[in-house]
Amino acid sequence: GIQVEQSPPDLILQEGANSTLRCNFSDSVNNLQWFHQNPWGQLINLFYIPSGTKQNGRLSATTVATERYSLLYISSSQTTDSGVYFCAVGNSGGGADGLTFGKGTHLIIQP
Amino acid sequence: NAGVTQTPKFRVLKTGQSMTLLCAQDMNHEYMYWYRQDPGMGLRLIHYSVGEGTTAKGEVPDGYNVSRLKKQNFLLGLESAAPSQTSVYFCASRYRGLMNTEAFFGQGTRLTVV
Repeated sequence: GIQVEQSPPDLILQEGANSTLRCNFSDSVNNLQWFHQNPWGQLINLFYIPSGTKQNGRLSATTVATERYSLLYISSSQTTDSGVYFCAVGNSGGGADGLTFGKGTHLIIQP
Repeated sequence: NAGVTQTPKFRVLKTGQSMTLLCAQDMNHEYMYWYRQDPGMGLRLIHYSVGEGTTAKGEVPDGYNVSRLKKQNFLLGLESAAPSQTSVYFCASRYRGLMNTEAFFGQGTRLTVV
């Protein structure tokens, strides 16, 4: 099956810093989602981005499907950005196959 | 509009006991999924359903059974719980489209088997 690798595995930053999280995948995909898992364990949808670029406030994401990677940018980090960021992909076309998750990037924002 | 709701949020079981986790979605989605998350790992797919009355195995199906008697509900059963099933369980749903569509997740159920 498809392999998903996220980097870096851990990241510690000061409040106000910018960061880039990377997701590499081993095969073509037609679904890619970024999630934030907060300290309470809740999975929050950030982006549905099988290709192209999207922005939502301080967060933006870019997926280059032909080169099999996606990037999540966080600008002006806040302590509430702490948590684990997951990339998940799918390649089932119109089928029902589930998502394959990476192991995540654990982000800690220090005040 | 509650989205995806899981019941219960927490549960402790003794080895050998059985239980059922309930997932309910109010978005009229055709596809529903059960995942498990273990420490330091991403989520792994247990079972999924493409519609009422149909289920299929995912990556880690052993020790679990599922049922989808109503479109809005997807049940995950553990017939004889084992310590290896200690995990956080997530349910997800998405609608059926010509291409892949965005998945939405419940808040998770933390299960401990002692």
